[in-house]
Amino acid sequence: ELKVEQNPLFLSMQEGKNYTIYCNYSTTSDRLYWYRQDPGKSLESLFVLLSNGAVKQEGRLMASLDTKARLSTLHITAAVHDLSATYFCAVVDFGNEKLTFGTGTRLTIIP
Amino acid sequence: KAGVTQTPRYLIKTRGQQVTLSCSPISGHRSVSWYQQTPGQGLQFLFEYFSETQRNKGNFPGRFSGRQFSNSRSEMNVSTLELGDSALYLCASRFRSGRPEAFFGQGTRLTVV
Repeated sequence: ELKVEQNPLFLSMQEGKNYTIYCNYSTTSDRLYWYRQDPGKSLESLFVLLSNGAVKQEGRLMASLDTKARLSTLHITAAVHDLSATYFCAVVDFGNEKLTFGTGTRLTIIP
Repeated sequence: KAGVTQTPRYLIKTRGQQVTLSCSPISGHRSVSWYQQTPGQGLQFLFEYFSETQRNKGNFPGRFSGRQFSNSRSEMNVSTLELGDSALYLCASRFRSGRPEAFFGQGTRLTVV
């Protein structure tokens, strides 16, 4: 059974700092997603990573994928308050469309 | 371009009742998946429908069921509601082949009292 671990669970950081969220998964996968969720809201799609070495960037967020290590990272550069949210990674099993989610990382950016 | 539409947004039901939730996917998307989100269990997969057929099912009791119509709209039904069914129910839509993006609706917040 595919398992997805995310860490840290909680992250409090100052504006302007850099940090990384880690997502490990247990079995081979062909797709990894990153989502953002604001309190009481739905999931906003950030990135889809499809292949080993894939790197995608949008604004202050950059996601990468190492399929050999079964590891994805979400790097935050020069954090701003608007990035405060919960971030989830999700992995798809080969051959089906089921997303297995990590536990989420609740990010709080302190001014 | 319209996003994924879920109705209703909020529901309050009593234990033992049943409930039906609706999801209209993005135009052209034929795959609809349902997820339950709770503080204790996180996001858990319920089932996926594609071309009116259930393709995958998660580890939920038979009280949870769903269906998909020819226009790709999907409904999920929960019978004999329990307090533990209180959750945010999210649906996701995608093309399923060729394009990997999966987009979520705003969710239905179900409270069972």
